[in-house]
Amino acid sequence: AQSVTQLGSHVSVSEGALVLLRCNYSSSVPPYLFWYVQYPNQGLQLLLKYTTGATLVKGINGFEAEFKKSETSFHLTKPSAHMSDAAEYFCAVTYSSASKIIFGSGTRLSIRP
Amino acid sequence: GAGVSQSPSNKVTEKGKDVELRCDPISGHTALYWYRQSLGQGLEFLIYFQGNSAPDKSGLPSDRFSAERTGGSVSTLTIQRTQQEDSAVYLCASSPRTGDYTFGSGTRLTVV
Repeated sequence: AQSVTQLGSHVSVSEGALVLLRCNYSSSVPPYLFWYVQYPNQGLQLLLKYTTGATLVKGINGFEAEFKKSETSFHLTKPSAHMSDAAEYFCAVTYSSASKIIFGSGTRLSIRP
Repeated sequence: GAGVSQSPSNKVTEKGKDVELRCDPISGHTALYWYRQSLGQGLEFLIYFQGNSAPDKSGLPSDRFSAERTGGSVSTLTIQRTQQEDSAVYLCASSPRTGDYTFGSGTRLTVV
């Protein structure tokens, strides 16, 4: 069975500081991994995804994530936080392109001025 | 269309009434998914369509919930005899076979 665990329901960082949102997954087969962002009162927007190939994945808005099979992790990072990054972030996993995505419970990111 | 379109964007209904939520996926996307997002919670999978068939409907909470998809395109999620606990944002996503999921903006359902 697949599952996703996001550590920390709320993360607060200062503007300009490193953003690190943690995600660990459980999958019995090679996973497809995703990070989505949800701004208030909006739908989900894909930040980045890992399917195969390079384990360091770069996404939109300066975010990136690294697939670490040995640690079953897919943590999301951004070197320097902007106020506009304040949103809810969801990590997700699936095992094929035509299967349901399992989402984590989400991490709300706040940015302090 | 350019994106996944959901209608209505907001729906307020009285307890006990039936509601229909519509999803127009991106043209050519074979897979379609329904999720529910309750206030302050994550996304709960409801049902998945591949073409017009639903190989996975394991997330439907009760027999009051049903969904169909016609012509491999539009999908309708129906909730019968709505209850207050059905209040949530219902999100639809579509995907081609290559696995790029695109979400709609959702329908915010409020049962009063």
